Amino acid sequence: GAVVSQHPSWVICKSGTSVKIECRSLDFQATTMFWYRQFPKQSLMLMATSNEGSKATYEQGVEKDKFLINHASLTLSTLTVTSAHPEDSSFYICSARIAGTDTQYFGPGTRLTVL
Amino acid sequence: AQTVTQSQPEMSVQEAETVTLSCTYDTSESDYYLFWYKQPPSRQMILVIRQEAYKQQNATENRFSVNFQKAAKSFSLKISDSQLGDAAMYFCAYRSNFPGNQFYFGTGTSLTVIP
Repeated sequence: GAVVSQHPSWVICKSGTSVKIECRSLDFQATTMFWYRQFPKQSLMLMATSNEGSKATYEQGVEKDKFLINHASLTLSTLTVTSAHPEDSSFYICSARIAGTDTQYFGPGTRLTVL
Repeated sequence: AQTVTQSQPEMSVQEAETVTLSCTYDTSESDYYLFWYKQPPSRQMILVIRQEAYKQQNATENRFSVNFQKAAKSFSLKISDSQLGDAAMYFCAYRSNFPGNQFYFGTGTSLTVIP
Protein backbone atom coordinates (compact mmCIF):
# COMPACT_ATOMS: atom_id res chain seq x y z
CA GLY A 1 0.00 0.00 0.00
CA ALA A 2 0.81 3.73 -0.10
CA VAL A 3 2.38 3.74 -3.54
CA VAL A 4 3.23 6.99 -5.28
CA SER A 5 4.12 7.12 -8.95
CA GLN A 6 5.72 9.82 -11.06
CA HIS A 7 5.66 10.29 -14.78
CA PRO A 8 7.86 10.64 -16.66
CA SER A 9 10.85 9.13 -14.89
CA TRP A 10 13.26 10.95 -17.18
CA VAL A 11 12.72 13.84 -19.56
CA ILE A 12 15.04 15.80 -21.80
CA CYS A 13 13.83 19.08 -23.23
CA LYS A 14 15.10 22.11 -25.06
CA SER A 15 15.69 25.38 -23.31
CA GLY A 16 12.59 27.58 -23.39
CA THR A 17 10.07 24.77 -23.49
CA SER A 18 7.73 23.69 -20.69
CA VAL A 19 7.69 20.31 -19.02
CA LYS A 20 4.92 18.73 -16.97
CA ILE A 21 5.61 16.12 -14.31
CA GLU A 22 2.78 14.09 -12.83
CA CYS A 23 2.59 12.67 -9.34
CA ARG A 24 -0.08 10.13 -8.52
CA SER A 25 -1.07 8.34 -5.35
CA LEU A 26 -2.11 4.93 -6.61
CA ASP A 27 -3.90 3.33 -3.69
CA PHE A 28 -4.81 6.14 -1.35
CA GLN A 29 -6.15 9.65 -1.35
CA ALA A 30 -3.58 12.33 -0.76
CA THR A 31 -4.94 15.58 0.57
CA THR A 32 -1.45 17.00 0.66
CA MET A 33 1.38 16.53 -1.80
CA PHE A 34 4.87 17.92 -1.66
CA TRP A 35 7.37 18.71 -4.38
CA TYR A 36 11.09 18.49 -3.75
CA ARG A 37 14.19 19.19 -5.78
CA GLN A 38 17.39 17.26 -5.28
CA PHE A 39 20.78 18.09 -6.74
CA PRO A 40 23.41 15.34 -7.08
CA LYS A 41 24.67 14.10 -3.72
CA GLN A 42 22.60 16.67 -1.88
CA SER A 43 19.54 16.60 0.30
CA LEU A 44 15.94 17.16 -0.69
CA MET A 45 14.84 20.76 -0.83
CA LEU A 46 11.15 21.40 -0.41
CA MET A 47 9.79 23.52 -3.23
CA ALA A 48 6.11 23.67 -2.44
CA THR A 49 3.23 22.10 -0.60
CA SER A 50 -0.02 21.55 -2.43
CA ASN A 51 -3.40 20.81 -0.97
CA GLU A 52 -6.18 19.41 -3.09
CA GLY A 53 -8.39 22.13 -4.46
CA SER A 54 -6.35 25.07 -3.25
CA LYS A 55 -3.31 27.04 -4.33
CA ALA A 56 0.10 25.65 -3.57
CA THR A 57 2.27 27.14 -0.86
CA TYR A 58 5.76 27.84 -2.17
CA GLU A 59 8.94 27.92 -0.15
CA GLN A 60 10.95 31.09 -0.06
CA GLY A 61 13.02 31.55 -3.17
CA VAL A 62 10.91 29.29 -5.40
CA GLU A 63 9.36 31.13 -8.32
CA LYS A 64 5.64 30.52 -8.46
CA ASP A 65 5.34 31.50 -12.10
CA LYS A 66 8.14 29.21 -13.13
CA PHE A 67 7.13 26.12 -11.19
CA LEU A 68 3.38 25.78 -11.61
CA ILE A 69 1.74 23.30 -9.30
CA ASN A 70 -1.77 21.99 -9.69
CA HIS A 71 -3.46 19.58 -7.29
CA ALA A 72 -6.75 19.03 -9.04
CA SER A 73 -7.76 15.77 -7.41
CA LEU A 74 -7.01 13.69 -4.35
CA THR A 75 -4.74 11.41 -6.38
CA LEU A 76 -2.98 13.73 -8.80
CA SER A 77 -0.65 16.69 -8.53
CA THR A 78 1.33 18.16 -11.41
CA LEU A 79 4.46 20.28 -11.54
CA THR A 80 5.02 22.27 -14.70
CA VAL A 81 8.44 23.79 -15.24
CA THR A 82 7.79 26.72 -17.58
CA SER A 83 10.36 28.16 -19.95
CA ALA A 84 12.93 25.68 -18.74
CA HIS A 85 16.59 26.62 -18.58
CA PRO A 86 19.65 24.40 -18.13
CA GLU A 87 19.88 25.45 -14.47
CA ASP A 88 16.47 23.83 -13.92
CA SER A 89 18.05 20.46 -14.63
CA SER A 90 17.64 18.43 -11.49
CA PHE A 91 15.93 15.48 -9.88
CA TYR A 92 12.35 16.30 -8.87
CA ILE A 93 10.62 14.17 -6.26
CA CYS A 94 7.03 14.31 -5.11
CA SER A 95 5.56 12.88 -1.96
CA ALA A 96 2.06 12.40 -0.68
CA ARG A 97 0.56 12.33 2.75
CA ILE A 98 -2.55 10.43 3.71
CA ALA A 99 -5.01 12.68 5.50
CA GLY A 100 -4.74 12.37 9.25
CA THR A 101 -1.34 10.68 9.18
CA ASP A 102 2.15 11.99 9.66
CA THR A 103 4.13 10.00 7.12
CA GLN A 104 5.03 11.02 3.60
CA TYR A 105 5.31 8.45 0.84
CA PHE A 106 7.67 9.33 -1.94
CA GLY A 107 7.49 8.88 -5.68
CA PRO A 108 10.47 7.46 -7.57
CA GLY A 109 11.50 10.87 -8.87
CA THR A 110 11.84 12.50 -12.28
CA ARG A 111 15.16 13.42 -13.78
CA LEU A 112 14.89 16.61 -15.84
CA THR A 113 17.64 17.56 -18.25
CA VAL A 114 17.34 20.87 -20.07
CA LEU A 115 19.60 21.28 -23.06
CA ALA B 1 12.67 27.16 10.39
CA GLN B 2 13.77 23.92 11.91
CA THR B 3 17.22 22.60 11.02
CA VAL B 4 18.38 19.02 10.82
CA THR B 5 22.06 18.18 10.99
CA GLN B 6 23.77 14.98 9.98
CA SER B 7 27.42 15.36 10.82
CA GLN B 8 28.63 12.20 9.10
CA PRO B 9 28.68 12.61 5.30
CA GLU B 10 30.00 9.06 4.88
CA MET B 11 30.06 5.94 6.99
CA SER B 12 31.12 2.38 6.37
CA VAL B 13 30.39 -0.87 8.15
CA GLN B 14 31.40 -4.47 7.75
CA GLU B 15 28.67 -6.84 6.74
CA ALA B 16 26.91 -8.31 9.81
CA GLU B 17 28.26 -5.57 12.06
CA THR B 18 26.40 -2.69 13.69
CA VAL B 19 26.57 0.96 12.69
CA THR B 20 25.04 4.11 14.15
CA LEU B 21 24.16 7.17 12.11
CA SER B 22 23.86 10.48 13.92
CA CYS B 23 21.23 13.18 13.59
CA THR B 24 20.54 16.30 15.61
CA TYR B 25 17.85 18.88 15.11
CA ASP B 26 16.86 22.27 16.34
CA THR B 27 13.30 23.17 17.22
CA SER B 28 11.21 25.11 19.67
CA GLU B 29 8.24 22.81 19.23
CA SER B 30 7.30 20.16 21.76
CA ASP B 31 5.25 17.93 19.51
CA TYR B 32 6.74 16.69 16.26
CA TYR B 33 7.79 13.59 14.38
CA LEU B 34 11.16 12.29 13.32
CA PHE B 35 11.97 9.94 10.49
CA TRP B 36 14.81 8.10 8.86
CA TYR B 37 14.55 7.58 5.14
CA LYS B 38 16.80 5.48 2.94
CA GLN B 39 17.63 6.44 -0.63
CA PRO B 40 19.34 3.63 -2.58
CA PRO B 41 20.95 4.21 -5.99
CA SER B 42 17.50 3.96 -7.58
CA ARG B 43 16.77 7.32 -5.87
CA GLN B 44 13.48 5.99 -4.46
CA MET B 45 13.01 7.30 -0.92
CA ILE B 46 12.05 4.50 1.45
CA LEU B 47 10.80 5.00 4.98
CA VAL B 48 12.99 3.17 7.46
CA ILE B 49 11.59 4.20 10.83
CA ARG B 50 9.57 6.93 12.51
CA GLN B 51 9.36 8.31 16.04
CA GLU B 52 6.74 10.46 17.71
CA ALA B 53 8.32 13.07 19.97
CA TYR B 54 5.76 12.52 22.72
CA LYS B 55 6.74 8.86 23.03
CA GLN B 56 9.71 8.15 25.25
CA GLN B 57 10.11 4.62 24.00
CA ASN B 58 12.57 4.29 21.15
CA ALA B 59 11.11 3.01 17.89
CA THR B 60 12.31 -0.32 16.51
CA GLU B 61 11.78 -1.95 13.13
CA ASN B 62 13.51 -5.30 12.83
CA ARG B 63 17.24 -4.54 12.48
CA PHE B 64 16.69 -0.80 12.69
CA SER B 65 16.31 1.08 15.94
CA VAL B 66 16.65 4.65 17.09
CA ASN B 67 18.08 6.36 20.12
CA PHE B 68 15.81 9.34 20.67
CA GLN B 69 17.07 11.87 23.19
CA LYS B 70 14.49 14.65 23.24
CA ALA B 71 16.28 16.95 25.64
CA ALA B 72 19.45 16.70 23.62
CA LYS B 73 17.51 16.93 20.34
CA SER B 74 19.27 13.86 19.07
CA PHE B 75 17.87 11.08 16.92
CA SER B 76 20.39 8.44 15.91
CA LEU B 77 19.74 5.35 13.81
CA LYS B 78 21.28 2.01 14.67
CA ILE B 79 21.49 -0.68 12.01
CA SER B 80 22.25 -4.13 13.39
CA ASP B 81 23.52 -7.11 11.42
CA SER B 82 24.25 -4.87 8.43
CA GLN B 83 23.47 -6.30 5.01
CA LEU B 84 24.73 -5.37 1.58
CA GLY B 85 21.28 -4.08 0.72
CA ASP B 86 21.56 -1.50 3.47
CA ALA B 87 24.06 0.47 1.41
CA ALA B 88 22.38 3.77 0.57
CA MET B 89 22.05 7.41 1.48
CA TYR B 90 20.24 7.85 4.76
CA PHE B 91 18.32 11.02 5.48
CA CYS B 92 17.07 12.14 8.84
CA ALA B 93 13.88 14.16 8.65
CA TYR B 94 11.89 16.34 11.02
CA ARG B 95 8.19 16.87 10.52
CA SER B 96 6.74 20.00 11.97
CA ASN B 97 3.15 20.23 13.08
CA PHE B 98 3.00 23.85 12.00
CA PRO B 99 2.07 25.39 9.67
CA GLY B 100 1.94 22.92 6.80
CA ASN B 101 3.40 19.73 8.23
CA GLN B 102 6.38 19.97 5.93
CA PHE B 103 9.48 17.88 6.30
CA TYR B 104 12.95 19.23 6.93
CA PHE B 105 15.71 16.93 5.78
CA GLY B 106 19.30 16.58 6.87
CA THR B 107 22.12 16.54 4.37
CA GLY B 108 22.36 12.77 4.39
CA THR B 109 24.87 10.09 5.30
CA SER B 110 26.21 7.78 2.64
CA LEU B 111 26.50 4.27 4.07
CA THR B 112 28.82 1.71 2.51
CA VAL B 113 28.57 -1.93 3.54
CA ILE B 114 31.81 -3.86 3.15
CA PRO B 115 31.44 -7.55 2.32
